[in-house]
Amino acid sequence: KAGVTQTPRYLIKTRGQQVTLSCSPISGHRSVSWYQQTPGQGLQFLFEYFSETQRNKGNFPGRFSGRQFSNSRSEMNVSTLELGDSALYLCASSLTSGSRGEQFFGPGTRLTVL
Amino acid sequence: QKEVEQNSGPLSVPEGAIASLNCTYSDRGSQSFFWYRQYSGKSPELIMSIYSNGDKEDGRFTAQLNKASQYVSLLIRDSQPSDSATYLCAVNMVSTGGGADGLTFGKGTHLIIQP
Repeated sequence: KAGVTQTPRYLIKTRGQQVTLSCSPISGHRSVSWYQQTPGQGLQFLFEYFSETQRNKGNFPGRFSGRQFSNSRSEMNVSTLELGDSALYLCASSLTSGSRGEQFFGPGTRLTVL
Repeated sequence: QKEVEQNSGPLSVPEGAIASLNCTYSDRGSQSFFWYRQYSGKSPELIMSIYSNGDKEDGRFTAQLNKASQYVSLLIRDSQPSDSATYLCAVNMVSTGGGADGLTFGKGTHLIIQP
């Protein structure tokens, strides 16, 4: 079974621009969560989508948004990029929503904001 | 404020020995606990999940959970150089909305297995 895929793998943007990242979960998985990883803050939860609905959101500004499609694929958008948004963005898929679901990570998208 | 604490290390262990990694968490309502391994430049890889007090074994790995002490540990037996990585402890609990609250990660312990 194929794992979680994320595109693109690398992105370079400038301040003020916006970016859209894509995630395809493991086949059959309906929950997609997004995380930001930086050297200083570590891995931080952004939001989770299940059945096209945002189930929960972490403590990030409204510039970070996402959506999920009927095939469970998910996109994450960051508007008005800031230098501090440079990070590895990770998508994780899970069979179901809820606290017991094991989450499997994709390879990530490395975003650099200049 | 949910917090997960890990010793950042590095933790240096001789090849063949037992590596012991520890994690404490602040939210007593936490229900699910996970250990991930992350190699440099790669994404986290799930090693173990544990939900009930006690031990759970999978090959060379044993996860231990003590909810009363809010403590989770991971033991790696017969440590190999390929086990050298950062080990992340992650904790989850059900939110008031019914969905997962998102994994809260510790900063990770950098493990070095010395040949």
